[in-house]
Amino acid sequence: AQSVTQPDIHITVSEGASLELRCNYSYGATPYLFWYVQSPGQGLQLLLKYFSGDTLVQGIKGFEAEFKRSQSSFNLRKPSVHWSDAAEYFCAVGPPGYSTLTFGKGTMLLVSP
Amino acid sequence: KAGVTQTPRYLIKTRGQQVTLSCSPISGHRSVSWYQQTPGQGLQFLFEYFSETQRNKGNFPGRFSGRQFSNSRSEMNVSTLELGDSALYLCASSELAGGTDTQYFGPGTRLTVL
Repeated sequence: AQSVTQPDIHITVSEGASLELRCNYSYGATPYLFWYVQSPGQGLQLLLKYFSGDTLVQGIKGFEAEFKRSQSSFNLRKPSVHWSDAAEYFCAVGPPGYSTLTFGKGTMLLVSP
Repeated sequence: KAGVTQTPRYLIKTRGQQVTLSCSPISGHRSVSWYQQTPGQGLQFLFEYFSETQRNKGNFPGRFSGRQFSNSRSEMNVSTLELGDSALYLCASSELAGGTDTQYFGPGTRLTVL
C-alpha cells in the first residue's frame, strides 16, 4: 500500500529565509507526486506535481521540489519565504492511471517577522 | 471559469441521521473525487468518479456512498451518522481521470455530528 510521511508537523521560518519541507513516500513503482497548500478555511491548492522526466519541478509561488528515487523523497523548497506562505502543506502520491491521492499528515508552516 | 462549488458549506446533524453533500465541478471537468479531512486521520480518499462511473473507492464503510450525474455534478451520502463522521469533506475535479490532470479542490463542507 502506498503511504506518505511528512516528518515535521510544524516548522517556523523567518521571513526571507529559505524553506525545505520534507516528504518521503512508499510505493511499489514511481508514483505521481504532488504538493498542495491549504490556508485556513480554504480547500487545497496545487503547488506542483511530478509524473516523469526532469526530477526538479518548478511550481507556483516560487516553489520547487526535487524527486529523489534513491531516497523515496520529494522535498519542497523555496529560497525566500514570505509571510503569505504561512499555511499547511501536504505532500501526496497517486497511482498512475487514477486520480486517487494519498496524503501525508501535513506540515504547518509558521513565518516569523 | 467558476471554481469547484460545494454545498452546503456547513452542516450540523445528530447521530443516526443521514446527510447528502453536493459538489459541482468546474465546467468541462468530468472527473470528481471526494476526500474526508479530520485532525486525527488527515486527508483520506473516499471516491473517484468519471463519466458517472465510480472508478475507485477508499476504505470507508458502506454507510458512505456517492454518485455522479450526467452533468458531472456529484453527491455523496452518509447514512446513520456517527460522531466520528464529523469532518471537512472536500471535493476535487479534473478534466480527465488518470491523475495527470490538475485536480482543483473546492472549499469543502464542514459536517458536525452531535
